[in-house]
Formats: sequence, structure tokens, C-alpha cells
Amino acid sequence: EVQLVESGGGLAQPGGSLRLSCAASGFTFSDYYMDWVRQAPGKGLEWVGRTRKKVNSYTTEYAASVKGRFTISRDDSQNSLYLQMNSLKTEDTAVYYCVRVYGSSFFDYWGQGTLVTVSS
Amino acid sequence: DIQMTQSPSSLSASVGDRVTIPCRASQDISISLAWFQQKPGRAPKSLIFAASSLLSGVPSKFSGSGSGTDFTLTISDLQPEDFATYYCQQYSSYPLTFGGGTKVEIK
Repeated sequence: EVQLVESGGGLAQPGGSLRLSCAASGFTFSDYYMDWVRQAPGKGLEWVGRTRKKVNSYTTEYAASVKGRFTISRDDSQNSLYLQMNSLKTEDTAVYYCVRVYGSSFFDYWGQGTLVTVSS
Repeated sequence: DIQMTQSPSSLSASVGDRVTIPCRASQDISISLAWFQQKPGRAPKSLIFAASSLLSGVPSKFSGSGSGTDFTLTISDLQPEDFATYYCQQYSSYPLTFGGGTKVEIK
């Protein structure tokens, strides 16, 4: 059974940093691109970014709203995905979901999400 | 960026109804379109990819159609567990973008 379990959410101050993790199980993690998607309270879904796999040199893509502040990385030996968030803004407050990308194109499995609150 | 438009943002329907939820892309995305269902307080669930292909385990009461810029999600024989918010998403080009969602409410 595919499982994605996020952790690391919590309260951070504006300008601060936070690192989210996503533990993957039930599939060969290294074979898949992985994404982060977020959802602000009461709002819709927003794509955050993507990491490709080793054969693609682990290249990344980011939404304009987070580019230069957020960094996506992965550790295939630990079956883990990460989101390093720096220079946090109040508008980064959201539930962050870890998502598996099937066939390098569409989302198939989602984690349960972890809440990040940016407030002073 | 490709804008995805879902209108209406909400609709009311009764148990047993057949509902159609539209989604429009601001430019041609071929069939690079997915649909998701989200219930309150829960993570989204993937339903459809490539505009009309059901993911494994998704009931056949869900169907998708369209190509280019206009797409539709159809839910037949609406049941209480189907009342939720539905999102479309394009994966034709970066940045990946979602529609604003259509909430299906009980009439």
C-alpha cells in the first residue's frame, strides 16, 4: 500500500525557516517524481514544486511564489522527500501535501498533509 | 501561466442526480488534465487523469471528457459520499495549475 506521511509543520515567524519531510513507503520511491502542493485555509490547491528522479539529475521546478525561498530535495536511500522553506511569509500559511507523480505526469497518491502557520 | 477556470464555484444537487462539472483552460492543453475530489478536512483524492482515464479503484460513476480547452467531470447517481469539492488541474506545462474548485452540495 502506497503511503506518504508528512511531518515538520508548525508555527514559524515571518522571515523564519521550517523544513518539512515526507516519508514514503509501499513503492520504489526512487522511480518517481515527487511534488509538494499546498492549500491555504479555506482556499484552493496551489502547486509548490517538483523534484525529478536520479536519471533526470534530480532537477527541480518551482512556482513563482516560492522560487528562491523554498528548496525541494530528496533522499532515495531514506525514501524521503523534503521541503526547506526560508524567508517565510504570512501568505505561506497552508496545509502542505506531499504528492506522488505517476508516469512523470499526473498525481496519483497524496499524503495527509501537515499544517504550516506563519505568524508573529 | 495557464489559467484553469471552474464555474460555478458551487452547485446543489439531490441524491440520485447526475451532475456535470465544467473546467476551462486558458490555452490548449490537449488531454493533460486531471480531476480530484476533496472532502472537508481531508487530503485530495485523485480521480481522473488524461481527461478521461479513471485511476485504479475509482468507481465508474465518475467519468471525464474533453480535450483542448474544455473539459467536464460527470458524476452519475450522486450519493451522500460524493458531496465534496472537485478540482481540475492541468499538467501540460509549468507551473502546474488548478481550477478554483466546484463544491457539490446537497439540495
